[in-house]
Amino acid sequence: DAGVTQSPTHLIKTRGQHVTLRCSPISGHKSVSWYQQVLGQGPQFIFQYYEKEERGRGNFPDRFSARQFPNYSSELNVNALLLGDSALYLCASSFGVRVYEQYFGPGTRLTVT
Amino acid sequence: ELKVEQNPLFLSMQEGKNYTIYCNYSTTSDRLYWYRQDPGKSLESLFVLLSNGAVKQEGRLMASLDTKARLSTLHITAAVHDLSATYFCAVVRDGGSQGNLIFGKGTKLSVKP
Repeated sequence: DAGVTQSPTHLIKTRGQHVTLRCSPISGHKSVSWYQQVLGQGPQFIFQYYEKEERGRGNFPDRFSARQFPNYSSELNVNALLLGDSALYLCASSFGVRVYEQYFGPGTRLTVT
Repeated sequence: ELKVEQNPLFLSMQEGKNYTIYCNYSTTSDRLYWYRQDPGKSLESLFVLLSNGAVKQEGRLMASLDTKARLSTLHITAAVHDLSATYFCAVVRDGGSQGNLIFGKGTKLSVKP
């Protein structure tokens, strides 16, 4: 059974550009959460989506946005990239909004130059 | 604001020794998670602790939760090199979005022969 998948694995962008990261949850899971992990730090919550609706938002600027599709996959968009956006972006899926267990994907490593 | 503090942040151990990692959190939470992360990899779930006094063990790792003290411990018994990794604890804010995990900064464990 496939776990959480994310694409791309690695990405290099230039300051000011836009990026889209993608996540497919475990089959049957309806909730997707996004986290940003800067090197040497713990993951920080960005968004949670459940049944295509935003259910939580962390302390991130409006340059960050996300959406969830009818098949429960999700996209994270970041506009006007800054050097400080360089991080590992993790997607996690769970069955419901009130999660018991969250399963993390392999992550997308974003480097902004 | 819910804060999660881990200590120590760095831990160098000899094989065969025992040690404990501490995780304190600042407000009430109804569950606590422990994750393991290998360099460049995603998060692997180790334990989910749901109630006061909960204790879970897997191999050489044992986690416990004291909700009154807002403290969880991860005890390592007879460490082996394969346990070298970064360990994170995370909590869910009571009443908040259940996809919203608040992580500590992590404890980087290095087990030396």
